[in-house]
Amino acid sequence: TQLLEQSPQFLSIQEGENLTVYCNSSSVFSSLQWYRQEPGEGPVLLVTVVTGGEVKKLKRLTFQFGDARKDSSLHITAAQPGDTGLYLCAGPNYGGSQGNLIFGKGTKLSVKP
Amino acid sequence: GAGVSQSPSNKVTEKGKDVELRCDPISGHTALYWYRQSLGQGLEFLIYFQGNSAPDKSGLPSDRFSAERTGGSVSTLTIQRTQQEDSAVYLCASSLDAVAGNNEQFFGPGTRLTVL
Repeated sequence: TQLLEQSPQFLSIQEGENLTVYCNSSSVFSSLQWYRQEPGEGPVLLVTVVTGGEVKKLKRLTFQFGDARKDSSLHITAAQPGDTGLYLCAGPNYGGSQGNLIFGKGTKLSVKP
Repeated sequence: GAGVSQSPSNKVTEKGKDVELRCDPISGHTALYWYRQSLGQGLEFLIYFQGNSAPDKSGLPSDRFSAERTGGSVSTLTIQRTQQEDSAVYLCASSLDAVAGNNEQFFGPGTRLTVL
């Protein structure tokens, strides 16, 4: 069974600090996606990583896909209150139909001013 | 253009009643998904429609749950004889084409269902 485990589950930091959240699996994924969800809204796609070892940057956010394509990380530099939200990783569900995704349980980030 | 819309935004019902949740996907998107999100949890897949193919119902938790998609556009998720454990946020998403691996799903704001 494919599982995506995210850590930490909760993270509360002060504005300006750096942080890293992780998404791990014992299964190999052809790609992984990161979404951010704000309260009362649906998740919004941030990035898709498709190549082992790939690093993608989105302003202060840096995403990395593990060489073995079993894990990914999201690093935020100089966090801001606007970064607050639930960060979810997702990958293709090979046990299901094409296009179906499985999601991790998420990391809930709170950035205090 | 308009994003994915869902209605109602909030629904409070009594145990045992039936509820219908509606999703309007982005125009032209062939794939439509329903997920359930319990408090503080990730997304639990429920059902997936892709074009005219038979839906993937493998995530539906019981036969009280059903969904249909009319004319390849609007979808309704029906929960019969609701139970308290059905309380959650129900999210709908659509994507242009369900290509595994690079499937960007666009989510609606969700319907928060509370079963008393």
